[in-house]
Amino acid sequence: EIVLTQSPGTLSLSPGERATLSCRASQTVSSSYLAWYQQKPGQAPRLLIYGASNRATGIPGRFSGSGSGTDFTLTISRLEPEDFAVYYCQQYGSSPRTFGPGTKVDI
Amino acid sequence: QVHLQQWGAGLLKPSETLSLACAVYGGSFGGYCWIWIRQSPGKGLEWIGEINPDGSTNYSPSLKSRVTISVDTSKTQFSLRLSSVTAADTAVYYCARQAVAWNYIYGLDIWGQGTTVTVSS
Repeated sequence: EIVLTQSPGTLSLSPGERATLSCRASQTVSSSYLAWYQQKPGQAPRLLIYGASNRATGIPGRFSGSGSGTDFTLTISRLEPEDFAVYYCQQYGSSPRTFGPGTKVDI
Repeated sequence: QVHLQQWGAGLLKPSETLSLACAVYGGSFGGYCWIWIRQSPGKGLEWIGEINPDGSTNYSPSLKSRVTISVDTSKTQFSLRLSSVTAADTAVYYCARQAVAWNYIYGLDIWGQGTTVTVSS
């Protein structure tokens, strides 16, 4: 089973700042099948990035993903007030699919 | 617009079987993986399992002995059954869709609204 570690656990920033979130895998993620999700309280997660670097439909350009192998990054170029949430990475190249523990982005 | 509507019993006693269903509206059913995920109170996301377009299934090793995911293509819905539940199975359960096309797998792009399941005697 691939274990995903996300850092930092909490990121305290202000609107307009840049956010850099890390996701590290215990083994190589097959075919860069790495996704990022945003979750707000009381809501289901929302897909932001799939295949490590592809923005999902309707996701603003300020969200970008990068990385390969075992190290992946989600960058939010300029934080908007609605971006304060918890972000999860998920690998889906190997079974069982696994999620990271999440990074909370707060003010 | 595609959306998933899920339902099922929200309160169970220990040893009972959890049963949830998820219906697909506004889109096709075939050609997708159908996924179940759960989130314990205040915790992160846990992948439970999936059923693939060819009908094969993959389950979390920690739940494999108790879980069954199935589809009813005539009703364009899929289901989760988890037997012998305990308090540790208390969580919000989500259904989700994952596209597979030309041997490429996409992320979980459509999610159900979530169902809160509580296991308590």
